[in-house]
Amino acid sequence: QVQLQESGPGLVKPSGTLSLTCTVSGVSIKTYYWSWIRQRPGKGLEWVGSVFYRGSTSQNPSLKSRVRISVDTSKNQFSLILTSVAAADTAVYYCVSGGLEHDAFENWGQGTLVTVPS
Amino acid sequence: DIQMTQSPSSLSASVGDRVTITCRASQSISIYLNWYQQKPGKAPKLLIYLTSNLQSGVPSRFSGSGSGTDFTLTISSLQPEDFATYYCHQSSITPHTFGQGTKLEIK
Repeated sequence: QVQLQESGPGLVKPSGTLSLTCTVSGVSIKTYYWSWIRQRPGKGLEWVGSVFYRGSTSQNPSLKSRVRISVDTSKNQFSLILTSVAAADTAVYYCVSGGLEHDAFENWGQGTLVTVPS
Repeated sequence: DIQMTQSPSSLSASVGDRVTITCRASQSISIYLNWYQQKPGKAPKLLIYLTSNLQSGVPSRFSGSGSGTDFTLTISSLQPEDFATYYCHQSSITPHTFGQGTKLEIK
């Protein structure tokens, strides 16, 4: 079955850059669109952005200028970079399968908490 | 962006109860509405996609309906493992957006 696992630093300094990687197993990363979704502490879900292995990406307009999502097909991984972080970016970040319009988010990683101290 | 509004925000119910959660979109999303269940400390789990299609492995007591702007998630007979937070999600157009969640608690 499809499995996803997030990895990356759990603490990022204000104004720094958040960098996370998602390792996908059980399926080729070329099969689906892939997304990052975040959840601030005690809050709801927010779509960050999506990527397809051919390079097409889409981002939430609320974050667009700060987000970059990419794919490494040789490692079956995709990554998130979020620049100029602030305390409001503290959240659990999930990597997820899906993200094209009309897609549901079928498979989820366990999530990783990233804290940006205030 | 399409705004998704769930009601109620929280709900107390008993094992065996029939429960309905509603989700309203700020504009028509056709049938591109999905439901997720999230338990504390866990990732969300896809329950229903495209309004009414049960994800593999999800019990048949869960069902979904609606179209356009108004949708419902129904649990026909609550089981202890169903107490969780439920989110709707529209995938009609990007940005994907979610409802604020409905917390289902034991009465």
